[in-house]
Amino acid sequence: VQLVQSGAEVKKPGASVKVSCKASGYSFTSYAMQWVRQAPGQRLEWMGWINAGNGYTKYSQKFQGRVTITRDTSANTGFMEVSGLRSEDTAVYFCARSASWAFDFWGQGTMVTVSS
Amino acid sequence: QSALTQPASVSGSPGQSITISCTGTSSDVGSFDLVSWYRQHPDKAPKLMIYEVNKRPSGVSNRFSGSKSGNTSSLTISGLQAEDEADYYCCSCTSRRTQWIFGGGTKLTVL
Repeated sequence: VQLVQSGAEVKKPGASVKVSCKASGYSFTSYAMQWVRQAPGQRLEWMGWINAGNGYTKYSQKFQGRVTITRDTSANTGFMEVSGLRSEDTAVYFCARSASWAFDFWGQGTMVTVSS
Repeated sequence: QSALTQPASVSGSPGQSITISCTGTSSDVGSFDLVSWYRQHPDKAPKLMIYEVNKRPSGVSNRFSGSKSGNTSSLTISGLQAEDEADYYCCSCTSRRTQWIFGGGTKLTVL
C-alpha cells in the first residue's frame, strides 16, 4: 500500500489549494480516504473523509463549507481542496487510508503555506 | 469538543513501562470501542500502533498495548526503547461513527 501526495504549495490569503493523494497497492474503491492536517508544532486535526466507492463525504464541522473532498476512481486518486485560505491554514496536510475505523496507511504529507 | 485530553508529556527510562491516557466523553471514547493510537516521529507521517482499543496491526511490536475504561483509553508501552521517543496521538470515532477526533498529543521522552 502506498499513498503519494502532491508537492508543497505556497498560496496567498483568499486563494484555494487542491492537494492530491494517489493510491496504489490496494483496491481504491474498497476503502475510505481520510484527510488530516497538522499546523506547525500543533496536534493532528481531522478534516473529513470520502467513501472512495460511492463518493459519500463527511466533514468536520470546523471545515464544513470551506473544504471539498473528491476522488477520481479512474486514477485511484483522492483530492482535498481548501478555499478562502488564511494564515491559520498553514499546515501539513495528510491523506490516509481508513480501515477498521482507523487510519492504517498515510501519505507523506503536503506542506501548504499561506502567506502574502 | 475540540480534542481528546492527553498528558502533554511522559517520560521513562529504557526497559521501563509507561502509560499514556486519553480522555474523551460519552459521545466518543465512551460510546465506541474504536479508539486508535498513532506514533509520530519529527517531520514524519503518523504510524498506526493500536486500533479498536487493543488490536495491533501486523508488524507492530507486542510491547504496545491498549485498553479502555469508561471515557478513558490508555496506551501502554513496555520495555521502552530509544526508538519509542516520539509524539503519540489517540483518536476516536464520534457522531455515529461518521466523524473522528484526535487527542492533543503526548510527547514521550526516553531518558
